[in-house]
Amino acid sequence: AQSVSQHNHHVILSEAASLELGCNYSYGGTVNLFWYVQYPGQHLQLLLKYFSGDPLVKGIKGFEAEFIKSKFSFNLRKPSVQWSDTAEYFCAVNRGGGADGLTFGKGTHLIIQP
Amino acid sequence: GAVVSQHPSRVICKSGTSVKIECRSLDFQATTMFWYRQFPKQSLMLMATSNEGSKATYEQGVEKDKFLINHASLTLSTLTVTSAHPEDSSFYICSTPRGDTEAFFGQGTRLTVV
Repeated sequence: AQSVSQHNHHVILSEAASLELGCNYSYGGTVNLFWYVQYPGQHLQLLLKYFSGDPLVKGIKGFEAEFIKSKFSFNLRKPSVQWSDTAEYFCAVNRGGGADGLTFGKGTHLIIQP
Repeated sequence: GAVVSQHPSRVICKSGTSVKIECRSLDFQATTMFWYRQFPKQSLMLMATSNEGSKATYEQGVEKDKFLINHASLTLSTLTVTSAHPEDSSFYICSTPRGDTEAFFGQGTRLTVV
């Protein structure tokens, strides 16, 4: 079975700072990788995903993530954060080739201070 | 707008009673629905997968007689927590895949058993 580890449970940054949230997964086969965001009181929303191809994936709201297969990592980055990025961020994985349920990390609570 | 509508958003019930949570797909047919549970400061954990017209598939450690899942139509899946105990208090979220690359989530149900 696959598992997902998010290294940072709480992150506090100032506006305009750069962001990198770590995510590592364990699974020997082909995987699909996701980052979801949950703003207070709202649904989980997809930020970006990786299925195949270019390992550098660009998502919505200026986020990007890089899949490094040798490191089993899929870190999320944003060069300059905004106060509105305050939210919970979840890394998730499922097995490649199918619409399986997702395995989530524990989430990272990001707080951006104005 | 919301693709999956989940109700109720919050529910408080007494120990020993049953609670039903509904998830409706709003503008498409959801043949598959995933049900997740999230304890405080923990990951979302996949509980079960339901497919319209067939029995749900439960993850290891999830009691199928306690968490009854019904997916009788292509737009409605329900999760019933039977004989609820305080340790069932959690955040329950449904999700349905759309195509091979996307999953849409309900807004979640906060269950408190007193």
